[in-house]
Amino acid sequence: DAGVIQSPRHEVTEMGQEVTLRCKPISGHDYLFWYRQTMMRGLELLIYFNNNVPIDDSGMPEDRFSAKMPNASFSTLKIQPSEPRDSAVYFCASSLSLGLNTEAFFGQGTRLTVV
Amino acid sequence: GENVEQHPSTLSVQEGDSAVIKCTYSDSASNYFPWYKQELGKRPQLIIDIRSNVGEKKDQRIAVTLNKTAKHFSLHITETQPEDSAVYFCAARNSGNTPLVFGKGTRLSVIA
Repeated sequence: DAGVIQSPRHEVTEMGQEVTLRCKPISGHDYLFWYRQTMMRGLELLIYFNNNVPIDDSGMPEDRFSAKMPNASFSTLKIQPSEPRDSAVYFCASSLSLGLNTEAFFGQGTRLTVV
Repeated sequence: GENVEQHPSTLSVQEGDSAVIKCTYSDSASNYFPWYKQELGKRPQLIIDIRSNVGEKKDQRIAVTLNKTAKHFSLHITETQPEDSAVYFCAARNSGNTPLVFGKGTRLSVIA
């Protein structure tokens, strides 16, 4: 398995534009997580899915953020409209379960810059 | 919910010296504590973890200690090398099927 795959690796967009980040989890993993990394806040959990169902989206900062998981092998995080303060690295991660010793595997991340 | 505090935010050490990163957690039900290493421009990767029924765990030059009473755990790196330079994240999870909660990270610089 190639691991968790995210696209694009880098995204530069203008304020007000829609941005869509994509993630392919490791096959067979039941859990998918979206994190945002900034210098000030570190790694923040935005939302996570179990078997394609959103379980907790309390970390989503605003209604401008939305996430979907239409099937077990694909998820999107959308920001509409984007703002400069959304600039960050967005990571997708997946894991087999939430049990003890279950490792979360991260994708390479998408570096988003909103100008 | 769980809250994880991590210190220091930056740490510089001379090559060959030891480095210690400390974390505290708030939820006494937490029982799993992994550490992730993120090299510059790369993804966070698990390097070592510890469960609450263990006080210390070692893997070559890295070790983790856990004090459940005080609700803190630490990462120790001995004989540091330039390739240890990275951002290190601690995390905690309780047994209630919840995701990992991460600390804010420590940027470790090992100076040759």
